[in-house]
Amino acid sequence: EPEVTQTPSHQVTQMGQEVILRCVPISNHLYFYWYRQILGQKVEFLVSFYNNEISEKSEIFDDQFSVERPDGSNFTLKIRSTKLEDSAMYFCASRGGGQETQYFGPGTRLLVL
Amino acid sequence: AQTVTQSQPEMSVQEAETVTLSCTYDTSENNYYLFWYKQPPSRQMILVIRQEAYKQQNATENRFSVNFQKAAKSFSLKISDSQLGDTAMYFCAFWPGSARQLTFGSGTQLTVLP
Repeated sequence: EPEVTQTPSHQVTQMGQEVILRCVPISNHLYFYWYRQILGQKVEFLVSFYNNEISEKSEIFDDQFSVERPDGSNFTLKIRSTKLEDSAMYFCASRGGGQETQYFGPGTRLLVL
Repeated sequence: AQTVTQSQPEMSVQEAETVTLSCTYDTSENNYYLFWYKQPPSRQMILVIRQEAYKQQNATENRFSVNFQKAAKSFSLKISDSQLGDTAMYFCAFWPGSARQLTFGSGTQLTVLP
């Protein structure tokens, strides 16, 4: 069964450093999402992406964040200058056209020191 | 904006028993979808069951079923014959369609006791 994959599974970085989180959505899916979950809290929406542009973004998704689909298979989330409060689990999800279910990847656990 | 409320932060159930997790939501949309996702200790988000708002029939998936009350904006999850592997955090989620986001509730930590 096709699945969403994410790399790395864990990332530790110093405050102020840039990180890039990578996702490979399910191959024929058209809609892509990033969510995050701070430990012990609910899952929060960051951004959705369709047709090579951002469809919707939350207040969390400020100028420090960007997304890209560089090569038709990867979908990346970049955090330019990480803060301590960016420590969280980051989930990528994808959805097929005409379908209603978002399928989630296993997540990247980001720790900012 | 949509909100999703899960009023039970923690629940426990004996193995083989039945448990119901509650979820309410608030929306002005008429057409939407509701989901239950399971998050085991690995923290992966796994789809359990989904319900289309325009369908009156409650969705079922093996031991999992929902009680969808559209007028009351209620969407509870029933787990029958609970198994130890059902121990996880369960999130209720709302999706209004199109390219828009999923909105999650705060989750219910379910523990199945042997």
